[in-house]
Amino acid sequence: DQQVKQNSPSLSVQEGRISILNCDYTNSMFDYFLWYKKYPAEGPTFLISISSIKDKNEDGRFTVFLNKSAKHLSLHIVPSQPGDSAVYFCAASAKGGATNKLIFGTGTLLAVQP
Amino acid sequence: NAGVTQTPKFQVLKTGQSMTLQCAQDMNHNSMYWYRQDPGMGLRLIYYSASEGTTDKGEVPNGYNVSRLNKREFSLRLESAAPSQTSVYFCASSVSSGISEQYFGPGTRLTVT
Repeated sequence: DQQVKQNSPSLSVQEGRISILNCDYTNSMFDYFLWYKKYPAEGPTFLISISSIKDKNEDGRFTVFLNKSAKHLSLHIVPSQPGDSAVYFCAASAKGGATNKLIFGTGTLLAVQP
Repeated sequence: NAGVTQTPKFQVLKTGQSMTLQCAQDMNHNSMYWYRQDPGMGLRLIYYSASEGTTDKGEVPNGYNVSRLNKREFSLRLESAAPSQTSVYFCASSVSSGISEQYFGPGTRLTVT
């Protein structure tokens, strides 16, 4: 039972254009969402997060949008750069739990073409 | 400030052998976690330690044990390795056990033959 789904295994975008990575979740108890970026042979690095009390959070070129009614979030990267090429994981957490246990999606491989 | 470090980076074991994966963090974080990453599966939580002196099972704990040695160190032990434990293992830490970002180490690639 995949509670966090990233249905696109890969995405290819031209440099300078917008990259949109999508994530869907099924558990209505999730109220905190994060995006991680992972390069080959490295650990995931935190990128941006959003609480369920917001519908948008922006940090430089990265913006995360949350649609609670659709149980959907997306990460927008604009403009995309070749250095953004990596695997992007969406993760979710439920505040009701005693511990910050993250549930991860399966990841989307982003390739930004020069 | 090294963040989260893991040793070893690579390991090959034969079925039935045991080993311990080491993890240390220098960020004074209270909570630490062990994940495994398999192709097409994302990251799955094996065990976590909300604070020094406590450990709890995650999503896939079978075949593993953990020790929170002190605030800095959290080790993962495979008592009798099986081919199904071939995976990349990541250790992570966070400021607290509440909702907060987790910081990951570089990973250990383990192959069990």
